[in-house]
Amino acid sequence: KAGVTQTPRYLIKTRGQQVTLSCSPISGHRSVSWYQQTPGQGLQFLFEYFSETQRNKGNFPGRFSGRQFSNSRSEMNVSTLELGDSALYLCASSISGGTGHEQFFGPGTRLTVL
Amino acid sequence: GQSLEQPSEVTAVEGAIVQINCTYQTSGFYGLSWYQQHDGGAPTFLSYNALDGLEETGRFSSFLSRSDSYGYLLLQELQMKDSASYFCAVRDNAGNMLTFGGGTRLMVKP
Repeated sequence: KAGVTQTPRYLIKTRGQQVTLSCSPISGHRSVSWYQQTPGQGLQFLFEYFSETQRNKGNFPGRFSGRQFSNSRSEMNVSTLELGDSALYLCASSISGGTGHEQFFGPGTRLTVL
Repeated sequence: GQSLEQPSEVTAVEGAIVQINCTYQTSGFYGLSWYQQHDGGAPTFLSYNALDGLEETGRFSSFLSRSDSYGYLLLQELQMKDSASYFCAVRDNAGNMLTFGGGTRLMVKP
């Protein structure tokens, strides 16, 4: 079974631009969560989607948004990029909504904002 | 809000046993998980405790005490490949939102 895939793996943008990251979960997984990982703040939860609906949202500004498609693939968008948005963005999928506890992480997208 | 505390760094020798502690404060509690992350890699799931007690999976064990808001990950027969960062994480609602601790960097020396 293929794992979680994320594209692109690396991205360089400049301040003020916007970016869209993509995540394809493991086949059959309906829950997709997004996390931001930085050396200073660690792993921080962005949002979770389940069956195309955002179920949970972390403490990030409205510049961070996401969506999930009917095939469970998910995208996250960051508008008006800031230097502090440079991070590893990880997506994780889970088999079910409330009872599944194991999350499978993708390799991440390394975003650098110049 | 939620917070999890774990040591930032632990060093041990090959073949030894090491325990990584995690204390948490959350508004709700649906379970404590542990993840391993090697440098440059993605976090991978190690264990999950929803109820008090010890869960054993091979060389790794995880313990939870809900009354103490405390858990630990026990790694036995340490191997060099166990050098990695270990994160505890709490689910505080019925969804899949995880709040992670700051991570413990484990260095295994020969």
